[in-house]
Amino acid sequence: AAGVIQSPRHLIKEKRETATLKCYPIPRHDTVYWYQQGPGQDPQFLISFYEKMQSDKGSIPDRFSAQQFSDYHSELNMSSLELGDSALYFCASSLGRGRKLFFGSGTQLSVL
Amino acid sequence: SQQGEEDPQALSIQEGENATMNCSYKTSINNLQWYRQNSGRGLVHLILIRSNEREKHSGRLRVTLDTSKKSSSLLITASRAADTASYFCATDITGANSKLTFGKGITLSVRP
Repeated sequence: AAGVIQSPRHLIKEKRETATLKCYPIPRHDTVYWYQQGPGQDPQFLISFYEKMQSDKGSIPDRFSAQQFSDYHSELNMSSLELGDSALYFCASSLGRGRKLFFGSGTQLSVL
Repeated sequence: SQQGEEDPQALSIQEGENATMNCSYKTSINNLQWYRQNSGRGLVHLILIRSNEREKHSGRLRVTLDTSKKSSSLLITASRAADTASYFCATDITGANSKLTFGKGITLSVRP
């Protein structure tokens, strides 16, 4: 069965650079979520989209933006990267709201 | 503020024993979900219990929900070494559109 696909798997950036993370949800899933997980931390909700419209917003810095495209894939854009942005970034999708989430394998971002 | 708080933070048991993990939350919820995460990997959904349910079973998993105490427990029976992972509870908060809030995980180690 198709799963949530994230790319890239690993990303190394310098401070103040920009990064773009991509997420391809499970086909027919209408809701996409982005989470940030620091080492030994719980996943922190960043933002979600329902039917390509922003649905909920969490602790997403102003330096970050996200969107969902017509083909339902989503991108998380991160600018002016800081050392503290180093984390595992997960995308998840669900069929409907309030349902179980299917997570991708994550993008490990390292900011040097 | 932290929605889900799990306890204990770490649990070490012998294979074959039962493992019980608890989670508390603060606000009204639609449902509560448990997820499992192997080190550095994506989260995997285990079980979902709705706010009007008190107990749910899935294989070796048993989840209870006490909305009056705002708490849930996850019981894994006859544990196996392969159950070694971090476990998170997550809440779908009433009033949120598409947002699942995770608590701090419990690290379970099952010794062979």
